[in-house]
Amino acid sequence: EVQLAESGGGLVQPGGSLRLSCAASGFTLSTYWMSWVRQAPGKGLEWVANINQDGSDKYYVNSVKGRFTISRDNAKNSLYLQMNSLRAEDTAVYYCARDFIGPEYWGQGTLVTVSS
Amino acid sequence: QSVLTQPPSASGTPGQRVTMSCSGSRSNIGRQTVNWYQQLPGTAPKLLIYSNNERPSGVPDRFSGSKSGTSASLAISGLQPEDEADYYCAAWDDNLNGWVFGGGTKLTVL
Repeated sequence: EVQLAESGGGLVQPGGSLRLSCAASGFTLSTYWMSWVRQAPGKGLEWVANINQDGSDKYYVNSVKGRFTISRDNAKNSLYLQMNSLRAEDTAVYYCARDFIGPEYWGQGTLVTVSS
Repeated sequence: QSVLTQPPSASGTPGQRVTMSCSGSRSNIGRQTVNWYQQLPGTAPKLLIYSNNERPSGVPDRFSGSKSGTSASLAISGLQPEDEADYYCAAWDDNLNGWVFGGGTKLTVL
């Protein structure tokens, strides 16, 4: 059974940093693209970034370019999102997702709150 | 403002057939396939339709998708109370080099 479990969310001040992790199980992580998608409270879905199987290819939504970095460690079955220079508008539930012609399986999400 | 446009709400009674639309442009729906997601209250999104009209294993055939030009549609036949949820369309955008989502349609089963 495919399982994705996000962790690392929490309350952070504007300008601060946070690193999200996603532990994958039930499939071979190294054979899939992976994505991060976020959802602000009461709002819709927004794709944030994705990464190819060996980490050599990455794409980001314009609003996080230069601030967020997606990475992966296939040996540890883990996906990461390093978030720097956080802003209030980054407040959201962050989901990791396995990609198959787009986000396919989703984790339950981790809440990131950016507030002073 | 979302790149893909969806009506904010839709409704139907049990047993009815409802459809919801998703409008995009040449750089996304016009050139790429469309996915649909269902998000039940308080839960993570679930893939409902991929590649315009394919259903993942376990998704009932009451759900169907179609695409024409720069628009796509999701149809739900034999509406059931448990179908009450938010529905999102998504597609890869060649200009933005990223996935874009619609703003979501909230389906109410009356």
